[in-house]
Amino acid sequence: VLTQPPSVSAAPGQKVTISCSGNASNIGNNYVSWYQQLPGTAPKLLIRETKKRPAGIPDRFSGSKSGTSATLAITGLQTGDEADYFCATWDTGFSTGLVMFGGGTKLTVL
Amino acid sequence: QLQLQESGPGLVKPSETLSLTCTVSGGSITTSSYYWGWIRQSPGKGLEWIGSISYSGNTYYNPSLKSRVTISVDTSKNQVSLKLTSETAADTAVYYCAGHSEVRSPFTSWGQGTLVTVSS
Repeated sequence: VLTQPPSVSAAPGQKVTISCSGNASNIGNNYVSWYQQLPGTAPKLLIRETKKRPAGIPDRFSGSKSGTSATLAITGLQTGDEADYFCATWDTGFSTGLVMFGGGTKLTVL
Repeated sequence: QLQLQESGPGLVKPSETLSLTCTVSGGSITTSSYYWGWIRQSPGKGLEWIGSISYSGNTYYNPSLKSRVTISVDTSKNQVSLKLTSETAADTAVYYCAGHSEVRSPFTSWGQGTLVTVSS
């Protein structure tokens, strides 16, 4: 239900944005989080509560939301940023609610 | 710093029940007031939340899997368990154990994951 572009790419030093589209029952009325998954590793929390960075996450990573869509922005791209990125939120469209993840976006740093 | 480690069989036969355990170290699973979740990732695919359990034992399941899932806590062993019945090939995935402060909150601590293949 959370729609992300399958892939994005940009050159080192550039800025890239990754979108996450949902609806009123999820993104529209709940916080969004973002995860980074490097190859062969577990996901790592990058952004919580839509725009907050956990300790240790550089300010090159930022999150925002407008209506039922959220965006992850990465500035000053580095080769080490090559990874899969997932958005997530709580969805209240079901009687008991559920954690919902986006399909993921593969970032290639050219 | 909490550390999580999943363990269980790497191979399960179709129609059988998958049983996985997550051992938590660096804190008690009850006194840390944490929620414990299971998430899976099919090969080359995205993440799917299976369910979570609160430190007091309240469970929350993904509606699409609810009929087949049981998550429980063994406080004496500081472990969280997952049982998924009636396995099919579609359940082949890397299974992660993760912790979060509340069921709606993001997962802040993750295990390394364990690959489970469903095949005869």
